[in-house]
Amino acid sequence: QSALTQTASVSGSPGQSITISCTGTSSDVGGFNYVSWYQQHPGKAPKLLIYDVTKRPSGVSNRFSALKSGNTASLTISGLQAEDEADYYCSSYRSGDTWVFGGGTKLTVL
Amino acid sequence: QVQLVESGGGVVQPGGSLRLSCAASGFTFNTYGMHWVRQAPGKGLEWVAFIRYEGFNKYYADSVKGRFTISRDNSKNTLYLQMNSLRTEDTAVYYCAKTYYDSSGLGGWGQGTLVSVSS
Repeated sequence: QSALTQTASVSGSPGQSITISCTGTSSDVGGFNYVSWYQQHPGKAPKLLIYDVTKRPSGVSNRFSALKSGNTASLTISGLQAEDEADYYCSSYRSGDTWVFGGGTKLTVL
Repeated sequence: QVQLVESGGGVVQPGGSLRLSCAASGFTFNTYGMHWVRQAPGKGLEWVAFIRYEGFNKYYADSVKGRFTISRDNSKNTLYLQMNSLRTEDTAVYYCAKTYYDSSGLGGWGQGTLVSVSS
C-alpha cells in the first residue's frame, strides 16, 4: 500500500499563502471525495484541518482551505502565521476499505 | 470534550505480543468508528486499522494484516489493538483516533503510546 505523494517541504513568509499538494490515484484521491488534511506540531498528536476534501471542522481557521482536481488534492494556508509552522499530512480513503496517508510536508515560516 | 487515552505500550522483543488500549470519554463511543494510526520515530503517519461502530467490520493495512487485531468493548468505552508477531519495523507511537462525525476524517486523537520492538 504505497503512500500518497506530498512535497517534502515548503516555506513562506508571514502573511503569504502557500499550497501543499497531495497526489494519489483513481483508487484513492481521485476516486472518492474522502480526502482529509492534518496538522502536526513536534511531539503532538495530529489535528484534523479538513475533511471530505473541502470541509473545515468547527474551530479550524478559515485561513485553511482545500480542493481536489483529478488525482491531486491541495491544501492552501493563507495569511501565514508563525504558529502554522508544522508538518502537514493528507489522507484519503482507498478502495478496499482502507485509508492511506501522504508522506508529510514540513512547513517552515521564514 | 473528546478524550482518548492510550496505554499498553512498552518494549518487546521481536516475535512478541502486546495489547494496546484506548479509553474514550466525552462522546458516545458506540456510535463512532475508530482507527489506529502509527508513526515511526522521525517518520510520517501510517494508517493501521479501522473498526466500525458496532465492532463487527474491521479493516487493516497490508503491513499488519494477519498479525494485528482491532477490537472494541462498547460497554467499557474502550478500543484495543492486539499486536502479535511483532517486528522491529512495528516500532512507533501508536495513536487511536475517532472518526469526525460521519465523515472520512479522523477528528479526535489520543496522545499516543510508544511501542518499541527490539532485542
